[in-house]
Amino acid sequence: DIVLTQSPGTLSLSPGERATLSCRASQSVSNSYLAWYQQKPGQAPRLLIYGASSRATGIPDRFSGSGSGTDFTLTISRLEPEDFAVYYCQQYAGSPRTFGQGTKLEIK
Amino acid sequence: QVTLRESGPALVKPTQTLTLTCTFSGFSLRRSGMCVSWIRQPPGKALEWLALVDWDDDKYYNTSLKTRLTISRDTSKKQVVLTMTNMDPVDTATYYCARGSGASCYVFDDWGQGTLVTVSS
Repeated sequence: DIVLTQSPGTLSLSPGERATLSCRASQSVSNSYLAWYQQKPGQAPRLLIYGASSRATGIPDRFSGSGSGTDFTLTISRLEPEDFAVYYCQQYAGSPRTFGQGTKLEIK
Repeated sequence: QVTLRESGPALVKPTQTLTLTCTFSGFSLRRSGMCVSWIRQPPGKALEWLALVDWDDDKYYNTSLKTRLTISRDTSKKQVVLTMTNMDPVDTATYYCARGSGASCYVFDDWGQGTLVTVSS
């Protein structure tokens, strides 16, 4: 199985700041088949990014993804109050498809 | 508009079989490229993909749970059913069904609201 390790576990920032979230894979994720999701308390996850860098429909351009191989990054350029949530990465290159353990983005 | 809704028991006893139903609208599971998955999330923990059925009625399972899972579809009812045998307290989780996106069956861009299943005697 491809194990995804997200860091940091918790990130404390203020609105308007830039957030950088990391996802590292235990082996190379072919074709950059890496997605990012946002989850707020009591809600289902919401797709943000797929293919490492393609934004899903309706996702604001302050969200961007980058990376390849084993190292991937989700960047939120200027945090809005509604961005504070838990973020998960997911690989869909290898079987089984796996998720990271999540990064909690909290208000400082 | 795509919607998915999970239904099933909120409480099951250890060793019992869980049956969950995902009722969807806004798309046809017969259309090429369409897929529906089940994904679960224990309280306070990460997501785990369980199983997928696609437009061709092909089925795929998480190998770690494959012996316990069965996924099936009823296209006329617009439903996907997941059964999980021999339930254990560690299977306590919110169970989601989700539709695969155009990018990949395994990129989930529409989700149900989830249903919490507690396993306890």
